[in-house]
Amino acid sequence: AQTVTQSQPEMSVQEAETVTLSCTYDTSESDYYLFWYKQPPSRQMILVIRQEAYKQQNATENRFSVNFQKAAKSFSLKISDSQLGDAAMYFCAYTISNFGNEKLTFGTGTRLTIIP
Amino acid sequence: DAGVTQSPTHLIKTRGQQVTLRCSPKSGHDTVSWYQQALGQGPQFIFQYYEEEERQRGNFPDRFSGHQFPNYSSELNVNALLLGDSALYLCASSLATGNAQYFGPGTRLTVT
Repeated sequence: AQTVTQSQPEMSVQEAETVTLSCTYDTSESDYYLFWYKQPPSRQMILVIRQEAYKQQNATENRFSVNFQKAAKSFSLKISDSQLGDAAMYFCAYTISNFGNEKLTFGTGTRLTIIP
Repeated sequence: DAGVTQSPTHLIKTRGQQVTLRCSPKSGHDTVSWYQQALGQGPQFIFQYYEEEERQRGNFPDRFSGHQFPNYSSELNVNALLLGDSALYLCASSLATGNAQYFGPGTRLTVT
């Protein structure tokens, strides 16, 4: 069974600084998708960034980027120029799929606090 | 462009009762997935519907059932509610050929 592990229950960062959230996963598959979702206190899960396993290039979305290490089964999220609105629970997720739209397996989350 | 919508926002039920939660997918999406998120945990996959059929199912008992309508909207039904069913229930929609799921705001179910 696929598992996703987030070893940092809580992280904090000064506003405008950079923070990295860690995620590791276990799978025997070669084709899969990885995601980072953000869940603010409003509860709605918001897609932050996705990475296709067959792509070697790390995904980037504005201030958010990932460090995808396939051999190490590691998928970390870097947030640059942290803003107060970045405060939320961040979940790493995995899906075994050719399309990335099937069953998502989530980690337990990392609570990110932004210090003004 | 409307995103994923869910109703109701909050719900309080008594043990043993039955509940129905509703979800309308994002415009253009044809696949709906349901997740249960207990307090302080990551979401757990319940099942996914595509073309009005259950396509995938997670490790949930038969008390959890669902339905998808021709307009792609979906319902999640839970029978014989237990205290442990108290959770945030999230609906996510996607395209069958898409590469991401988009979530609704969730329904908070409290079982007393």
